[in-house]
Amino acid sequence: DVKVTQSSRYLVKRTGEKVFLECVQDMDHENMFWYRQDPGLGLRLIYFSYDVKMKEKGDIPEGYSVSREKKERFSLILESASTNQTSMYLCASSLAGESYEQYFGPGTRLTVT
Amino acid sequence: AQKITQTQPGMFVQEKEAVTLDCTYDTSDPSYGLFWYKQPSSGEMIFLIYQGSYDQQNATEGRYSLNFQKARKSANLVISASQLGDSAMYFCAMSLDNTDKLIFGTGTRLQVFP
Repeated sequence: DVKVTQSSRYLVKRTGEKVFLECVQDMDHENMFWYRQDPGLGLRLIYFSYDVKMKEKGDIPEGYSVSREKKERFSLILESASTNQTSMYLCASSLAGESYEQYFGPGTRLTVT
Repeated sequence: AQKITQTQPGMFVQEKEAVTLDCTYDTSDPSYGLFWYKQPSSGEMIFLIYQGSYDQQNATEGRYSLNFQKARKSANLVISASQLGDSAMYFCAMSLDNTDKLIFGTGTRLQVFP
């Protein structure tokens, strides 16, 4: 059974803290994605990685960075958390190719106070 | 610019009835893919169905079918024989510009009542 896991379901951080969100997939997928989901806005792509050490900005990369040192792991980093980064964060992975579906993790609900 | 539009914020349907969730898209790319995902209250996104732009037949997966009308740029999801467990958010998505990235609509919340 395919699986994408995320390090935390719920996270509370203070403004200005550095935050790491971890995502691991066990399907040997080339692609990995980070989205944020906000009510009424759907899912918006933050960053995309199509190979180890390769990354591409999505629609809303400001305030975020990513790291992919191993194929199975994709980390999202909030360098200095702000209250407007309070959101649900979803990680996904897929095979290379535009017809392949993305498999999603359970999500991390991050609250920045 | 590429865009997905879901105009129904919420829908109600009675158990065992069919329901159609609307999705329109905008792209100038001749090759694209269209996806539907379900998100129950637990939060995890579940892939339902895929339609390629060159596919001649409408995609079907069990009780789900995708009504693909290319000229109208619509890709509506039809759920037949609704079940209480179908209550969830439903998102339409499109692959972008020969990439593996997806753009999502804002979603439709479906509630199935007995």
